[in-house]
Amino acid sequence: QSVLTQPPSVSGAPGQRVTISCTGNNSNIGAGYDVHWYQHLPGKAPKLLIYVNSNRPSGVPDRFSGSKSGTSASLAITGLQTEDEADYYCQSYDSSLSGPVVFGGGTKLTVL
Amino acid sequence: EVQLVESGGGLVQPGGSLRLSCAASGFTFSSYAMSWVRQAPGKGLEWVSDMSGSGGGSHYADSVKGRFTISRDNSKNTLYLQMNSLRAEDTAVYYCAKDQQLVNPYYFDSWGQGTLVTVSS
Repeated sequence: QSVLTQPPSVSGAPGQRVTISCTGNNSNIGAGYDVHWYQHLPGKAPKLLIYVNSNRPSGVPDRFSGSKSGTSASLAITGLQTEDEADYYCQSYDSSLSGPVVFGGGTKLTVL
Repeated sequence: EVQLVESGGGLVQPGGSLRLSCAASGFTFSSYAMSWVRQAPGKGLEWVSDMSGSGGGSHYADSVKGRFTISRDNSKNTLYLQMNSLRAEDTAVYYCAKDQQLVNPYYFDSWGQGTLVTVSS
């Protein structure tokens, strides 16, 4: 059971828009800690997609965007492309005793 | 270009030990905290441990506390993870990840390709 809750899967057709939610609590996202997102393709190294809630590293297309509100955050992907099919993880800081870094359980994006 | 290359994975029996290494290049190693993150088969990412750039501070996930020890040699640009009393549930691909900050973990802007650890008799 992950500290941050994500839907196990989402899907969309090419060109469509999908969103992936990440729900925490008052010891992580709700406490004001930033949320970051990673894209993970099977057999590859995870890749930073969004940092500090809504910032894109250089090279990440502007089709990817992030937002945060209250105890939740969201990743939106517009203009879906087949190469977007991957696992997506949110990550934040947690002030509880279980450890400072927490990940969501991951969301598998399928491009139909 | 930042490069992180993990090594040291393999098959080990329950109760055994293994030491992972992560060779870093392309950045000033001592200026950044580093972490180990793992992914068990069919599961998501799980943060394991981190160490500050100076090596003066570290944190561990509850699942590995008391069994795993993180360390770094800034003269060799290398991060280590000593894993003792290994259990079947430690079976995973272990990734080395570079943090964006010097002291406490924040977010990871570069990752290695991972090294597989299998704990089985």
